[in-house]
Amino acid sequence: GESVGLHLPTLSVQEGDNSIINCAYSNSASDYFIWYKQESGKGPQFIIDIRSNMDKRQGQRVTVLLNKTVKHLSLQIAATQPGDSAVYFCAENTGFQKLVFGTGTRLLVSP
Amino acid sequence: GAVVSQHPSRVICKSGTSVKIECRSLDFQATTMFWYRQFPKQSLMLMATSNEGSKATYEQGVEKDKFLINHASLTLSTLTVTSAHPEDSSFYICSAYDRGTFTGTEAFFGQGTRLTVV
Repeated sequence: GESVGLHLPTLSVQEGDNSIINCAYSNSASDYFIWYKQESGKGPQFIIDIRSNMDKRQGQRVTVLLNKTVKHLSLQIAATQPGDSAVYFCAENTGFQKLVFGTGTRLLVSP
Repeated sequence: GAVVSQHPSRVICKSGTSVKIECRSLDFQATTMFWYRQFPKQSLMLMATSNEGSKATYEQGVEKDKFLINHASLTLSTLTVTSAHPEDSSFYICSAYDRGTFTGTEAFFGQGTRLTVV
């Protein structure tokens, strides 16, 4: 069930800094991982994905790293901007298109 | 990219009434849609998988009689919260995969529905 009173961890950075958001996943059989950005009152927005046969993938200003040994994902955002402020979730595809979401991290970017 | 639209975006209802939330894929067909629930400052929790033309598959602990799901066409799934109570207040989000280009990858999410039961 849900954890009542759970608060999201927060990462505070200055504009222009690089941000690293971490995530631990649970299912060693998951073959596909995604990072989503969620702004207040909106649905998740796709950022970048990675398959389990890769350990790194780069997009525009974002990089995802996958460490299957320790079941760890990270999202790196280069030159963070105020518009990047949001909650970031990792998600793993556990099979049959079902996504399991991580707990989320709130990113606050100060100008 | 593909667009998934939810309606309404916000709804306030009285305790004991039922509320229907619609999830539409606007420019693609979706045989499968997913319904999530999100409490404040928490993550998305999968409630059920909506299957076009057949019964929905519910996650453990989700009451199927409380959360009725209908997926009557390839572009529309509905979630009805029956006999709503204040504890049902939450943010409900749907997602869908583009059937025509499905590779098991990108899910498209609706903008969410904020349900408040008073």
